[in-house]
Amino acid sequence: DVVMTQSPLSLPVTLGQPASISCRSSQGLVYSDGTTFLTWFQQRPGQSPRRLISKVSNRDSGVPDRFSGSGSGTDFTLKISRVEAEDVGFYYCMQGTHWPITFGQGTRLEIK
Amino acid sequence: EVQLVESGGGLVQPGGSLRLSCAASGFTFSRYWMSWVRQVPGKGLEWVANIKEDGTETHYVDSVKGRFTIARDNGKNSLSLQMNSLGVEDTAVYYCARLGRQMDIWGQGTMVTVSS
Repeated sequence: DVVMTQSPLSLPVTLGQPASISCRSSQGLVYSDGTTFLTWFQQRPGQSPRRLISKVSNRDSGVPDRFSGSGSGTDFTLKISRVEAEDVGFYYCMQGTHWPITFGQGTRLEIK
Repeated sequence: EVQLVESGGGLVQPGGSLRLSCAASGFTFSRYWMSWVRQVPGKGLEWVANIKEDGTETHYVDSVKGRFTIARDNGKNSLSLQMNSLGVEDTAVYYCARLGRQMDIWGQGTMVTVSS
């Protein structure tokens, strides 16, 4: 199975400051058609997961542009340019390239 | 509005069975892979199963193979998860999600508790 390792697992951030979450996969995530199925989700307290970014860097409709995704190979990053109070919650990366689909452990973002 | 609504969760004894359902609306259900993902309260996300648009291909996480069956009824815009031989380790919130590899839309989840 592909292991997805996120860091840090806890991320205290001051409002208005940037934040960055790393996600490393144990194998490359390029699918046979050239697509890299690396997805980022946000889960606010008491809510279902919400997709933020697909295919490494494609931001979903309605997701603020302060969120961005980047990376390639086995090394991926989610960045928040300026953290707002509504960003509190857990963030998960997920690979959909290889079966079984696997998630990172999750990163808890909190306001310092 | 694109929507997924799960139902069927509840309390079941170890060794028992439960069938979860997911009603889809607001999109052409038959054009999408569908997924089940679970989450133990307070813990992370675990993918459980996927099914192709026409139901001809399915995939499962090893821990549920032979016990869980994912199915769909495109005529009724419905996804299901039949869960047999349930163990305490299956206790979780179960979400259905649209798409197999990128899960763009999620339901609100239904809680399954396996306990004696």
